[in-house]
Amino acid sequence: EPEVTQTPSHQVTQMGQEVILRCVPISNHLYFYWYRQILGQKVEFLVSFYNNEISEKSEIFDDQFSVERPDGSNFTLKIRSTKLEDSAMYFCASSGNLAGLSSYEQYFGPGTRLTVT
Amino acid sequence: SQQGEEDPQALSIQEGENATMNCSYKTSINNLQWYRQNSGRGLVHLILIRSNEREKHSGRLRVTLDTSKKSSSLLITASRAADTASYFCATERSSGYSTLTFGKGTMLLVSP
Repeated sequence: EPEVTQTPSHQVTQMGQEVILRCVPISNHLYFYWYRQILGQKVEFLVSFYNNEISEKSEIFDDQFSVERPDGSNFTLKIRSTKLEDSAMYFCASSGNLAGLSSYEQYFGPGTRLTVT
Repeated sequence: SQQGEEDPQALSIQEGENATMNCSYKTSINNLQWYRQNSGRGLVHLILIRSNEREKHSGRLRVTLDTSKKSSSLLITASRAADTASYFCATERSSGYSTLTFGKGTMLLVSP
C-alpha cells in the first residue's frame, strides 16, 4: 500500500541552525501538507501546497519557514534559524483532492522529531 | 472551546468492551476524519465521514456525524489491547482549502 515517507526520523540541531525536513508524498496525490505536534499538544496545521505553490498557511508558518517541491517526488520543509520552541514532531501529509471537488483522506507520514538545543 | 474537541480526554476499559469517543466542532465542515496515534508515533487514518453522511462503518469502527449538533462519535467495538492509543478527530472546513483542524484527542487504554 502506498505510504508517505519522511526523513530523517529524528533531527537534533542547535538553536539558530537551518534544518530541512524531507517528505515523499504518495505519488498520485495532488495536495501536500506540513503539520507539527509539540509534545503533549495537539496536531497543528502549518502549510498546504498545491500546483507548486502555497495554498494556505497558518500563523505559525512565518518567514522562518519555507516549503519546496524540488522535483516530482520530494516535498521539503525548511526552517531557516531554529528556535527552542520549534522542537516538535513534524508530520507531512498528502491527499488526492481535486481542486473544487470532493475531499479525500489525508495520509500522514511517520513524522520527524526535531529537537532544538 | 476550539474546533475539534474530543471527550473524554482519557478512557480506560477492559478488553472486549466498547469504547466511545466524542468530538465537537464549531464551523461548517466538508468532512470529519478520525486518526489514531500510538505513543510517539505517526498518525494513522481510520475513517472519513462526509458532511452529508450520518453514519459509517469500517470493521470494528462506527462513526456518526450530527451536523446540526456539530458533533461526531467514534465507537470501537470489542476492543483489544492493541487499540490502546490516542484518537483524534480532525475537521476539514467547508470554505477555503482542505486543511485539517485537530482536536486534543482521547487517550484510550485497553487493559487485557
